Amino acid sequence: GAGVSQSPSNKVTEKGKDVELRCDPISGHTALYWYRQSLGQGLEFLIYFQGNSAPDKSGLPSDRFSAERTGGSVSTLTIQRTQQEDSAVYLCASSLQGQGIYGYTFGSGTRLTVV
Amino acid sequence: AQSVAQPEDQVNVAEGNPLTVKCTYSVSGNPYLFWYVQYPNRGLQFLLKYITGDNLVKGSYGFEAEFNKSQTSFHLKKPSALVSDSALYFCAVREEQAGTALIFGKGTTLSVSS
Repeated sequence: GAGVSQSPSNKVTEKGKDVELRCDPISGHTALYWYRQSLGQGLEFLIYFQGNSAPDKSGLPSDRFSAERTGGSVSTLTIQRTQQEDSAVYLCASSLQGQGIYGYTFGSGTRLTVV
Repeated sequence: AQSVAQPEDQVNVAEGNPLTVKCTYSVSGNPYLFWYVQYPNRGLQFLLKYITGDNLVKGSYGFEAEFNKSQTSFHLKKPSALVSDSALYFCAVREEQAGTALIFGKGTTLSVSS
């Protein structure tokens, strides 16, 4: 597609439930990133996929968070046993390559509310 | 370790006046520096970047930023602010040799009054 697509746009879940957030990057972009945006916290890096390389998971806040990228395209971020502090906007971005000279194109995000 | 700081949570400026949004960074080697803008209820948009070359880079919507290596700064500027520039601005950095994702600052809210 023309841009980065994220679904759902909004998700309300009960504490303790698992959620899956989806990201469909721009076709041909080999690098894919997940960030979390909380009020007053800026953008917090979560995980980074580059081609077939092992992902950089250094930003995942706990083992309840995981992500995969199938076929070098669509990515799913899974949060298990959700907690109220997981409430945030989860942003996905993609770029042409991961070398860093290319800017990122962001999706509109998924607003997750844990009640 | 890489880091970026935006020392001001909010910047207020009158329409027509020049604006500056500050950003400082810390990396071990050469930096790649970016500015992004987030308008209300919209996604993050790329404004401009510094990779190498001229220290003054020009971007979208009349914005520019100056890379200052000695002060480790990359302040965003515009000669004449518009009310429509009101938004949340993020500075981001990545070290040239590091195979990592961009590190973003906490953001600065720019409010331009008419």
